[in-house]
Amino acid sequence: AQSVTQPDIHITVSEGASLELRCNYSYGATPYLFWYVQSPGQGLQLLLKYFSGDTLVQGIKGFEAEFKRSQSSFNLRKPSVHWSDAAEYFCAVGGPGTYKYIFGTGTRLKVLA
Amino acid sequence: DADVTQTPRNRITKTGKRIMLECSQTKGHDRMYWYRQDPGLGLRLIYYSFDVKDINKGEISDGYSVSRQAQAKFSLSLESAIPNQTALYFCATSDFGTGGTGELFFGEGSRLTVL
Repeated sequence: AQSVTQPDIHITVSEGASLELRCNYSYGATPYLFWYVQSPGQGLQLLLKYFSGDTLVQGIKGFEAEFKRSQSSFNLRKPSVHWSDAAEYFCAVGGPGTYKYIFGTGTRLKVLA
Repeated sequence: DADVTQTPRNRITKTGKRIMLECSQTKGHDRMYWYRQDPGLGLRLIYYSFDVKDINKGEISDGYSVSRQAQAKFSLSLESAIPNQTALYFCATSDFGTGGTGELFFGEGSRLTVL
C-alpha cells in the first residue's frame, strides 16, 4: 500500500539550531517526493521536490532534503532555523502519470527565541 | 492576484444546509483537486478532475459532489452539511500533463464550520 509517514507530530527547536524532519514513504514505483510548508492561516507552499537525478535537493528558504531509496526516506533539513520557520510541514509522494498524491499527517514546528 | 482562488474563505453554516465552495485558477492546468484537512490527519483527497469531462472520486467523496464548469473552475458542494464536515478545504491544481513535474499549487483554503 502507498503511504507516507511523518513520525514526529511536534518538534521544538531553538532559533539558530539545526533541524531535521523525517519522512518515510511506501510507494510501488519511482516516487516523486515533495515537501510543503503551511504557515498559520495559509495554504500550502512547495519547499522542494525530488523526481530524478541528484538525491540531495535544494529548496526555498534554505531547506534541503535527501532522497534515500534504500531507506525509503526523504528527510527535510535546515542548518539554522529562523523564528519565521515555525509552521506545519507536510511530506507527500506521487508518481509520473498518476493522479494521486499521498500526504503525511504533518509535523508542526515550534521555534524558541 | 492568486493563481488559485477559493471562495468563500470562511463559512459558518447549519446542519442540513447546502454549501458550495468555489475554486478558480489562472495557471492553465488541466488537473484540479479538492482536499480536506483535519488536524492530525493531513490532507485527504475528496475529488479530482483531469479535464471538464473527467471527474473522479477520491478517498473520502461520500457526502460531497463536484462540478467542473470550465478548465479554470472546479466547485465542491456539500448537499446537506453535517458537523463532521467541519474542516479546512483546499483546492489545488497540478502541472502533470502539461510538461511539469507534478507540483501541486494550492489555494489559500476555505474554512467551513457546520453547526
